[in-house]
Amino acid sequence: AQSVTQLGSHVSVSEGALVLLRCNYSSSVPPYLFWYVQYPNQGLQLLLKYTTGATLVKGINGFEAEFKKSETSFHLTKPSAHMSDAAEYFCVAGGGYNKLIFGAGTRLAVHP
Amino acid sequence: GAVVSQHPSWVICKSGTSVKIECRSLDFQATTMFWYRQFPKQSLMLMATSNEGSKATYEQGVEKDKFLINHASLTLSTLTVTSAHPEDSSFYICSALIAGEPSYEQYFGPGTRLTVT
Repeated sequence: AQSVTQLGSHVSVSEGALVLLRCNYSSSVPPYLFWYVQYPNQGLQLLLKYTTGATLVKGINGFEAEFKKSETSFHLTKPSAHMSDAAEYFCVAGGGYNKLIFGAGTRLAVHP
Repeated sequence: GAVVSQHPSWVICKSGTSVKIECRSLDFQATTMFWYRQFPKQSLMLMATSNEGSKATYEQGVEKDKFLINHASLTLSTLTVTSAHPEDSSFYICSALIAGEPSYEQYFGPGTRLTVT
């Protein structure tokens, strides 16, 4: 079955530290991968997406992710965390019939 | 571009009443829209896929008679929660696909917080 796994439901980092949010997908999903961010009581905002081409994808707010087919991974990184990065992050894969397959989400906390 | 709006942003209703939530694509045509439900501190759960001019396709376990979906135009889909009960209280989010775009990218609305008392 198609699935997306986010390792770590909660991640806490210091301001200025590296952010690494891990995501693995099942090999049966099509290679359309996304990271979305959700702030409290808001909808989802697209951070970045991988469809085809370059495997290192740059997104908004300094985030980037690398598609590694051999590892079936699509980890999200940011070199230096800001307080404003505190939010819920979802790794999402394109499934069949235009549907999306969501990971369980990772809550990122940034402390001073 | 690619903005999706929802109305209302929050609503409180009494048990037994019905409430309608609107989802609009403001600057593009959306032949396909999706409705999700999100419980606190959980991921999004797909409720149904809405295609313009046809009946919605509901996910397993979602009561189609309780959650009525209408997609009457290329820019508007509505979700009506009928005879709402407290357990229907949740955050409802819609999304839309741009017609013809093959990348699976969905554009999400800001969500509607429903509280049933």
